[in-house]
Amino acid sequence: TQLLEQSPQFLSIQEGENLTVYCNSSSVFSSLQWYRQEPGEGPVLLVTVVTGGEVKKLKRLTFQFGDARKDSSLHITAAQPGDTGLYLCAGQSSGTYKYIFGTGTRLKVLA
Amino acid sequence: KAGVTQTPRYLIKTRGQQVTLSCSPISGHRSVSWYQQTPGQGLQFLFEYFSETQRNKGNFPGRFSGRQFSNSRSEMNVSTLELGDSALYLCASSIDTYEQYFGPGTRLTVT
Repeated sequence: TQLLEQSPQFLSIQEGENLTVYCNSSSVFSSLQWYRQEPGEGPVLLVTVVTGGEVKKLKRLTFQFGDARKDSSLHITAAQPGDTGLYLCAGQSSGTYKYIFGTGTRLKVLA
Repeated sequence: KAGVTQTPRYLIKTRGQQVTLSCSPISGHRSVSWYQQTPGQGLQFLFEYFSETQRNKGNFPGRFSGRQFSNSRSEMNVSTLELGDSALYLCASSIDTYEQYFGPGTRLTVT
């Protein structure tokens, strides 16, 4: 069974701090996505990474895909209260049409 | 371009009843996936449809079924509802499963 473990599960930080969220698996993925979800709403796609070692930046968010395509990280610089939410990673295996979702990281940024 | 829409947004049903949820994908998207999200289990894949055919299925009992119409709209049905079926049901659409875009979800409460 494929699993995507995210760490930490919960994170509460002050505005302006930096943080990193990790997404790890023993499986290789053809692509990996990061989402942010707010209470009562669907996840919103932030980024898709497909190449091992790939780094993508979205304003203050930096996403990295591991060289072996088994893990990924999300780094937020100078967190703001608007970054609060549930962060989910999702990996797609080669040749399949389904995604495996990570366990989620619940982030709270305090003003 | 309009996003993924799901109806209804909220639903309360009694144990033993059945329920049908609807999802309209983004225009041009032919793949529709369904997920169940609960606090304990996170996001779990139910099934995926592409051009009216179920291409992949998760590990849910046969009480959970779905279908897709020629206009790519999809419905999900749960029969003989159980208390444990209370969850947020999410639909996601994509052009070819490469990047998924989620709807706001249907919050189902079974009493």
